[in-house]
Amino acid sequence: DAGVIQSPRHEVTEMGQEVTLRCKPISGHDYLFWYRQTMMRGLELLIYFNNNVPIDDSGMPEDRFSAKMPNASFSTLKIQPSEPRDSAVYFCASSRAILSNEQFFGPGTRLTVL
Amino acid sequence: SQQGEEDPQALSIQEGENATMNCSYKTSINNLQWYRQNSGRGLVHLILIRSNEREKHSGRLRVTLDTSKKSSSLLITASRAADTASYFCATDAGDYKLSFGAGTTVTVRA
Repeated sequence: DAGVIQSPRHEVTEMGQEVTLRCKPISGHDYLFWYRQTMMRGLELLIYFNNNVPIDDSGMPEDRFSAKMPNASFSTLKIQPSEPRDSAVYFCASSRAILSNEQFFGPGTRLTVL
Repeated sequence: SQQGEEDPQALSIQEGENATMNCSYKTSINNLQWYRQNSGRGLVHLILIRSNEREKHSGRLRVTLDTSKKSSSLLITASRAADTASYFCATDAGDYKLSFGAGTTVTVRA
């Protein structure tokens, strides 16, 4: 298995632009998580899905952030409009609950908003 | 929100020495997990210990859990340069989401 795949790996954009981050979870995993990591705030859970349904989005910072999971093999995290304070590394992770909730992380997307 | 708090924040040791880091948490948990993150990479799961377990081993890793004190420790024995990384504890309260601590940065000197 290729593991969790994220794209792009790096994104540089200007303030006000729309940013879309993509994630492909490990096949057969029924949970998908989006995290944001910064030096100041550490690793924060933004939202997670179970069987493609959003379960808890209480970590989403504000309405500029949205996430979708149209099918079991694809999820997006969108920021519109982006702001410099959104600069961070965004991780996607997946897990298979029937085994344990060990999470498998993707390599992350490093986002820089100028 | 971060539930786990690691201690120390940073640790520098000589190759071959043992490294110990601690994690304290606030609420009841279903299990506690430890992850490693190499610079510029995603987190990698190391070990999971359930609330009814007190100690667990995996290779050079030893994890303990004291639910009465709401604390856990991770011991890495005979450290190697490749163990240089940040280590995070994560708690699961039973809802399949994890709360991560701020991490301990370990540097192993050759």
